[in-house]
Amino acid sequence: EAGVTQFPSHSVIEKGQTVTLRCDPISGHDNLYWYRRVMGKEIKFLLHFVKESKQDESGMPNNRFLAERTGGTYSTLKVQPAELEDSGVYFCASSPLPSGLAGVLSSYEQYFGPGTRLTVT
Amino acid sequence: AQSVTQPDIHITVSEGASLELRCNYSYGATPYLFWYVQSPGQGLQLLLKYFSGDTLVQGIKGFEAEFKRSQSSFNLRKPSVHWSDAAEYFCALPSGAGSYQLTFGKGTKLSVIP
Repeated sequence: EAGVTQFPSHSVIEKGQTVTLRCDPISGHDNLYWYRRVMGKEIKFLLHFVKESKQDESGMPNNRFLAERTGGTYSTLKVQPAELEDSGVYFCASSPLPSGLAGVLSSYEQYFGPGTRLTVT
Repeated sequence: AQSVTQPDIHITVSEGASLELRCNYSYGATPYLFWYVQSPGQGLQLLLKYFSGDTLVQGIKGFEAEFKRSQSSFNLRKPSVHWSDAAEYFCALPSGAGSYQLTFGKGTKLSVIP
């Protein structure tokens, strides 16, 4: 079974440019999450999709960030225009929806991708 | 608000030595707790998890963690460290009741001396 994949692995852009990050979750995982780690800080939650719907976007820093998950499969995170403080590692994670006796707990186990390192210069 | 504290930013141990990484949490009830590891160039990998029941949980790669409610701790241990354990370790818990979003500690970077 393929894990969570993210593309690109590294992106270097200039301030003011646009960048789109992509995440492909584990097949069948309806929960999809984006997190970010700015250098020297904690990994911070950005948002949570359930299928194609945004369940929680309380962590999105501002309206320069736009996340989509059309069709409930892969997701994109667009930063437009990028600022210096957007530099960091963006992680995507996925988990299944609750189902069956052990299903509720399995939803808490998030499988992470390798991350996209974004450098804004 | 829920929070996770990892007091040690960087720990260095010799190969073969025992290891304990500290994690303290703040949560209103019994939390679900996780330890993740990020090896260089890799994503976050789930090491182990605590939901309920036995307070000593076993994980992958020979790691274990003990949940201590009285100390609000969930420390990660390994009896004998291998060079390949050099990585960054994160303790995490869900941000609130019914919430799947995780709150992470700042991480502890482990260096292993051959």
